[in-house]
Amino acid sequence: DQQVKQNSPSLSVQEGRISILNCDYTNSMFDYFLWYKKYPAEGPTFLISISSIKDKNEDGRFTVFLNKSAKHLSLHIVPSQPGDSAVYFCAASRSGAGSYQLTFGKGTKLSVIP
Amino acid sequence: ETGVTQSPTHLIKTRGQQVTLRCSSQSGHNTVSWYQQALGQGPQFIFQYYREEENGRGNFPPRFSGLQFPNYSSELNVNALELDDSALYLCASSPPASPTDTQYFGPGTRLTVL
Repeated sequence: DQQVKQNSPSLSVQEGRISILNCDYTNSMFDYFLWYKKYPAEGPTFLISISSIKDKNEDGRFTVFLNKSAKHLSLHIVPSQPGDSAVYFCAASRSGAGSYQLTFGKGTKLSVIP
Repeated sequence: ETGVTQSPTHLIKTRGQQVTLRCSSQSGHNTVSWYQQALGQGPQFIFQYYREEENGRGNFPPRFSGLQFPNYSSELNVNALELDDSALYLCASSPPASPTDTQYFGPGTRLTVL
């Protein structure tokens, strides 16, 4: 069973517009969520995270929103730039589990069109 | 500050062989996690090492084993390779008692099993 789901395999956005990437989770024990960006032939790069005690976290052009009741989070990129074109992974973990393992979604490929 | 490094970059093996992948953690990080990323999937947690001991394991058979050394570098060993083991193997390190659970990834080793 997939505990973290990214239902959109791909997304195309015009440069300068907003990109919204979505992620759903099923395990209510998850209390920490992260977004990673991955370029081809590179490892995932940490982008932004959010704890379950918050509903929003902002870092420059990137904002993550968390809706715990809906078990849904989203990543907003404003304004989108061509360099943002990459695969974005949503990941979740739960504290108290000892190993802090990350559970990933399958990723969404974002293409920002100049 | 040196990031997470992995070797080799690429590897080709035949079914039934054994393979060892290596990872050097980021300076100051004492926890190393290994993930397997199959084509079109998100990374899947294999296991984590903390202070040279296994600290959590995902749903992988015992032929996947690992080590962590006193300098916090790590090895992933896979015995009796199967075709389905073909994947990108990612190593991630994290700081001691990281409250944010952020793991920083290396570039990965691409393993092909023929």
